[in-house]
Amino acid sequence: DIQMTQSPASLSASLGETVTIECLASEDIYSNLAWYQQKPGKSPQLLIYYANSLNDGVPSRFSGSGSGTQYSLKINSLQSEDVSIYFCQQNYDSPYTFGAGTKLELK
Amino acid sequence: QVQLKETGPGLVQPTQTLSITCTVSGFSLTSYYMQWVRQTPGKGLEWMGFIRSGGSTEYNSEFKSRLSISRDTSKNQVFLKMNSLKTEDTGVYYCARITTVGVMDAWGQGASVTVSS
Repeated sequence: DIQMTQSPASLSASLGETVTIECLASEDIYSNLAWYQQKPGKSPQLLIYYANSLNDGVPSRFSGSGSGTQYSLKINSLQSEDVSIYFCQQNYDSPYTFGAGTKLELK
Repeated sequence: QVQLKETGPGLVQPTQTLSITCTVSGFSLTSYYMQWVRQTPGKGLEWMGFIRSGGSTEYNSEFKSRLSISRDTSKNQVFLKMNSLKTEDTGVYYCARITTVGVMDAWGQGASVTVSS
């Protein structure tokens, strides 16, 4: 199975800051990487697919990058509504594994 | 408007079978793959399996021996059945629609399941 290692596990940032979350795959996943946002008490929602493609309706302050085994999610100009847990998932090979999540809080 | 909604039993006894129904609207099950994902305190988010638009299935080998995914296209419903439940199966079970690029673009609100005697 492909292991997805996400870092940091938690993150505290101020409004307007830029934050970056990393995801490391245990083998090359050829950009088959998605990012999901899960707000408290809600189901996950798709933010980014294929490493850097923004899902419809997602604010442009979210961006994804990376290739091979290393990927990142960047949030520019942090807003209060961005308080969430963020997960990466590889959809390259079954089983389609998730990272453990990054909990983003406001400072 | 695309909608998905899971309905399940809430509480299941150990060794029993879990059955959850996902009712969808706003799209056709014959056009999309549908997936089940669960979120447990012990393992976080886990991909369980999916049913293709043509009706064939693929499962995570972790669950393969006790998991079954099926559907009724006439009722716009997808079903999850998992037997031999253990307390570690306690969590929230989500159905989700899969896009052509293999990611989940629509999710249900989740069915909370507690396995306890």
